[in-house]
Amino acid sequence: DVKVTQSSRYLVKRTGEKVFLECVQDMDHENMFWYRQDPGLGLRLIYFSYDVKMKEKGDIPEGYSVSREKKERFSLILESASTNQTSMYLCASRRKVMGNSPLHFGNGTRLTVT
Amino acid sequence: QKEVEQNSGPLSVPEGAIASLNCTYSDRGSQSFFWYRQYSGKSPELIMFIYSNGDKEDGRFTAQLNKASQYVSLLIRDSQPSDSATYLCAVGNSGGYQKVTFGTGTKLQVIP
Repeated sequence: DVKVTQSSRYLVKRTGEKVFLECVQDMDHENMFWYRQDPGLGLRLIYFSYDVKMKEKGDIPEGYSVSREKKERFSLILESASTNQTSMYLCASRRKVMGNSPLHFGNGTRLTVT
Repeated sequence: QKEVEQNSGPLSVPEGAIASLNCTYSDRGSQSFFWYRQYSGKSPELIMFIYSNGDKEDGRFTAQLNKASQYVSLLIRDSQPSDSATYLCAVGNSGGYQKVTFGTGTKLQVIP
């Protein structure tokens, strides 16, 4: 079974802090993703990485950066947290195959910025 | 127009009935389609995926795909209260990096 682990279930940070959200997968998946989920807006893609040290902007990358130094780990960084980044953050991974393979999600991190 | 559209619901069905969840998408070149179930406060879990036109069945769940109409649906037979959740439709796009785009989800309530 695929296991995607996010380091924190709940996180409370102050405005202006630099925030790190960590995600680790144990299935040797090439692709990894960060989404945020907000009521009425669904899941929106922030960044994704199709392989180690590779990254691509998603639909809402502003205010975020990412790091993928090792295949199993994909980090999301909020450079200077703001209250509008209060959200549920979901990490996902998938195997790179021809066509799309399903995403497997972590348990999510609920971030509150005060 | 949203890339992936779903009726937000709630869709209420009595226990034992068939629940029908629908999704339309705008990218005609989309190649893969997924249904996820999400309980309140939890992360999405994969129920089914479908790549070809027609029906795909797995237990009480049937996914239906019609690429000409750009329409995908999920049928849940013999609905149970434990099926009460939000169901997310996701579409794999035709671009080079095969981005997956999600709908906003349909909330299903199964009434005992």
